[in-house]
Amino acid sequence: DIQMTQSPSSLSASVGDRVTITCRASQSISTYLNWYQQKAGKAPKVLIYAASTLQSGVPSRFSGSGSGTDFTLTISSLQPEDFATYYCQQSYSIPVTFGQGTRLEIK
Amino acid sequence: QVQLQESGPGLVKPSQTLSLTCTVSGGSFRSGSYFWSWIRQSAGKGLEWIGRVYTSGSTDYNPSLKSRVSFSVDTSKKQFSLKLTSVTAADAAVYYCANAGRGQAYDIWGQGTKVTVSS
Repeated sequence: DIQMTQSPSSLSASVGDRVTITCRASQSISTYLNWYQQKAGKAPKVLIYAASTLQSGVPSRFSGSGSGTDFTLTISSLQPEDFATYYCQQSYSIPVTFGQGTRLEIK
Repeated sequence: QVQLQESGPGLVKPSQTLSLTCTVSGGSFRSGSYFWSWIRQSAGKGLEWIGRVYTSGSTDYNPSLKSRVSFSVDTSKKQFSLKLTSVTAADAAVYYCANAGRGQAYDIWGQGTKVTVSS
């Protein structure tokens, strides 16, 4: 299985801050990397697919980059509704695997 | 717009079989991605991909669960189902059905159904 490791596991930030979350794959996955946002009691929502493509309807303050084994999700200016848990997921090989999550909290 | 809804018992006894169904509405069962997936989320293991079933009936399972899981599809009812045998407390989780779109990212999810394993 491909292991996905996110850092940090949790993060405190303020509205307006620029935030970066990192995801590392245990082997190269090209750009088969997706990012999700999950709020309490809800299903995950895809933000970015194929490492850097913004899902339709997602605000442009979200961006993704990377290829191979190292990827980042950046939120350029945090909004109150962005405080949630974020997950990366690889779709390069079976089984599909997710990172352990990064909890983004209000400072 | 396709919508997914999980259904099934919220409580299962240890060693018994968990059965869940996902009903597809609002679109063609064969539209978009041609496979349908099950994903679960527990506090201890985060998000775990259980596997996927193609509309043809072919399946891919997570090797960690392969010996206990099976999927089926009923195209006429626009449903796909999950069976997980010999459940233990470790199988307690919120179970989601989901559909992958571009980039094989899961862009359509059910609301999730919580399953408790207890006698």
